[in-house]
Amino acid sequence: DGGITQSPKYLFRKEGQNVTLSCEQNLNHDAMYWYRQDPGQGLRLIYYSQIVNDFQKGDIAEGYSVSREKKESFPLTVTSAQKNPTAFYLCASSIRHRSYEQYFGPGTRLTVT
Amino acid sequence: EDKVVQSPLSLVVHEGDTVTLNCSYEVTNFRSLLWYKQEKKAPTFLFMLTSSGIEKKSGRLSSILDKKELFSILNITATQTGDSAVYLCAVSKEETSGSRLTFGEGTQLTVNP
Repeated sequence: DGGITQSPKYLFRKEGQNVTLSCEQNLNHDAMYWYRQDPGQGLRLIYYSQIVNDFQKGDIAEGYSVSREKKESFPLTVTSAQKNPTAFYLCASSIRHRSYEQYFGPGTRLTVT
Repeated sequence: EDKVVQSPLSLVVHEGDTVTLNCSYEVTNFRSLLWYKQEKKAPTFLFMLTSSGIEKKSGRLSSILDKKELFSILNITATQTGDSAVYLCAVSKEETSGSRLTFGEGTQLTVNP
């Protein structure tokens, strides 16, 4: 079955620690995206990547970092510089330049205390 | 700055009611407008609208786009408790660094029996 997987589903961390969220897809999509969602709010774009070894900042990139070493994988690191990291994180992928057809993963709920 | 604004932010209705959700946008290089339904986890795609005045329908849901006035509406007739969800509006745009989506805040719809 083709799709996007995110792990883990729930993640708990202490303040001051970096944490990496996993996103893997086997849809053969070139483009991948990371979004953050806070309660009662829509999705805000953190980073996106159109091809391997290239990525662009979205609207709220501060305190986050990404890498795109393989087509299938787009991990997101939430660094200690991110002031309010507790949120629901969604990963998505699409055919390149067809962001209107994004497929979403199930999400990771990160809680930092 | 790109903007996608949804209204109302929340809505509570009774089963059988008809609801209208609104989405207005100010986006450069507009390509298309999309509606998603989100129940707890990943958003699921409902409609994509690119042309003004053409209604898209799927069962009890329908949507239309007005590119002159820069808005879209999503109608749900004969609502059911299973329609309870967050409805997200997003606009697809083209950028030199690749295409991306900009989301609104979402409308939380609650349908009571």
